[in-house]
Amino acid sequence: ETGVTQSPTHLIKTRGQQVTLRCSSQSGHNTVSWYQQALGQGPQFIFQYYREEENGRGNFPPRFSGLQFPNYSSELNVNALELDDSALYLCASSMRGQGSDEQYFGPGTRLTVT
Amino acid sequence: DQQVKQNSPSLSVQEGRISILNCDYTNSMFDYFLWYKKYPAEGPTFLISISSIKDKNEDGRFTVFLNKSAKHLSLHIVPSQPGDSAVYFCAAENQGGKLIFGQGTELSVKP
Repeated sequence: ETGVTQSPTHLIKTRGQQVTLRCSSQSGHNTVSWYQQALGQGPQFIFQYYREEENGRGNFPPRFSGLQFPNYSSELNVNALELDDSALYLCASSMRGQGSDEQYFGPGTRLTVT
Repeated sequence: DQQVKQNSPSLSVQEGRISILNCDYTNSMFDYFLWYKKYPAEGPTFLISISSIKDKNEDGRFTVFLNKSAKHLSLHIVPSQPGDSAVYFCAAENQGGKLIFGQGTELSVKP
């Protein structure tokens, strides 16, 4: 069973640029959630995708957007990067509708905006 | 607003002793709570959970206690081992499976 993977591991971008982060969910999982973890803080919910549709969004501006593909992998896109976007971005996959919604996290992508 | 709070950024205990990590929440509608453990360069891993219909859940060395009236939960690790050294996050599950995390407590277990 393959776990949740994320790419890239690290990324450095300049303010104003755009970035795409990728997540492959655990085999058999149909739901992906994205979280932002700033230094010294807990992860904050960005949004969740279930069967390719956005299924809830946290308190993040529209320049944070996402996609989920038919194979349930997902992308997080951030436009017009700001310095405060520097953080660890975590994705988590789960299987809705099978009793347990336990979320399995990937190792994260460390984004630095300069 | 911080709906889930972990007020102790760090905790240091001796190997073999008890570790107690605390968590407070503000929303009385939360009915499911989880603890995650995070090592550096890894994602959080699920440790133990508790539903609001219970006041205690135990799994080996780990026990979570829930006090609904005080909106407080705690994680007890007995006995603590050096391998338990990690950051521990308390989380509440919102409707639809969205997790609301606390800020984390870094546990250091000294041999």
